[in-house]
Amino acid sequence: NAGVTQTPKFQVLKTGQSMTLQCAQDMNHNSMYWYRQDPGMGLRLIYYSASEGTTDKGEVPNGYNVSRLNKREFSLRLESAAPSQTSVYFCASSEGVGVAAFFGQGTRLTVV
Amino acid sequence: QKEVEQNSGPLSVPEGAIASLNCTYSDRGSQSFFWYRQYSGKSPELIMSIYSNGDQEDGRFTAQLNKASQYVSLLIRDSQPSDSATYLCAVDTGRRALTFGSGTRLQVQP
Repeated sequence: NAGVTQTPKFQVLKTGQSMTLQCAQDMNHNSMYWYRQDPGMGLRLIYYSASEGTTDKGEVPNGYNVSRLNKREFSLRLESAAPSQTSVYFCASSEGVGVAAFFGQGTRLTVV
Repeated sequence: QKEVEQNSGPLSVPEGAIASLNCTYSDRGSQSFFWYRQYSGKSPELIMSIYSNGDQEDGRFTAQLNKASQYVSLLIRDSQPSDSATYLCAVDTGRRALTFGSGTRLQVQP
């Protein structure tokens, strides 16, 4: 079992470019999440999907969109990247809400 | 006030000592509490879960929960240099996703 798989692992974008971060889980989990991690800020929730077919905003959704493609896959899109979006992005999944989440290996994104 | 607060550290302990990490939370309705370990450049890894008042032990790790005082702690006995990492406290505040503290960096000195 791979768990939670994110692609790509590293990415450099120019300001204004767009990109999609991919995430897939093979644990048959219902809920999936996107967090960003910045130094001294901890993990902040961008968007989450409590179950297939639903998505909701988290703490810092501005500048991002998400798609829950199916039960396994949850993608994060940056439409017009800004330097403030330079961060490490983690996808996570869990059986349901309020239970432990399991994380992918992260995507280190730099916007120049 | 942050919903989940941790001292950023670093907390430095000698090898073999007990490391004590603390976390406070603001939402009295919180039901589930988790500790994650994160090595530098890696993703968070779940190490402990606790749901009721008291202690939960797993090997060298003990999680302690006090809902009345709204704090949760993690004790690491016989600390090893390999325990050096950032420890993240996470709380289910009922908002359908875990809320994380900013983490405490632990350094275990050989």
